[in-house]
Amino acid sequence: GAGVSQSPSNKVTEKGKDVELRCDPISGHTALYWYRQSLGQGLEFLIYFQGNSAPDKSGLPSDRFSAERTGGSVSTLTIQRTQQEDSAVYLCASRGIGRGRSGELFFGEGSRLTVL
Amino acid sequence: RKEVEQDPGPFNVPEGATVAFNCTYSNSASQSFFWYRQDCRKEPKLLMSVYSSGNEDGRFTAQLNRASQYISLLIRDSKLSDSATYLCVVHLNFGNEKLTFGTGTRLTIIP
Repeated sequence: GAGVSQSPSNKVTEKGKDVELRCDPISGHTALYWYRQSLGQGLEFLIYFQGNSAPDKSGLPSDRFSAERTGGSVSTLTIQRTQQEDSAVYLCASRGIGRGRSGELFFGEGSRLTVL
Repeated sequence: RKEVEQDPGPFNVPEGATVAFNCTYSNSASQSFFWYRQDCRKEPKLLMSVYSSGNEDGRFTAQLNRASQYISLLIRDSKLSDSATYLCVVHLNFGNEKLTFGTGTRLTIIP
């Protein structure tokens, strides 16, 4: 597709289970971001990938969170031993090269995670 | 102090009015600035970049004040379709591609 694709769109899980969220960025975009948004809140930065560089993991809230990006394309965000406070919408975005509008972040529709 | 701060609102404004809101940022080294728009239960989308000299796109005007470390968004002749949350986004510098989002300002245009 032409846009950023995320799956699943909705995930309900039990506390303590592991979950994997997938992001397929726009083809050719070298930068990929994960953010999360809790109900009524702003976007919280989680992690950023740029090409073959080491990812910026400074936003990951705990060691239960990890992410990888294989082949410079698809990314997977993994949350281990989920907690209720992990409930949020997890948004993935990709970005091309350049500044101004050409550096625009394109978001997927998000994966809504509910931890019971 | 938060890296990026916005008045959460809500701003309830009659149709046709002009509305403006600001966003302050804490790091004076920040290089690039953007306004994104987020509709209810949708993903954010770029509204406009903010240039040093200020820029206009139709009814929307964005300005940057580096001395006071804030950016602003002005909407003229507001339409019902302008109802959304407006997110301020700050990019630190070209060696760090992290983009920091404000919590957003909710705007509702009233018929």
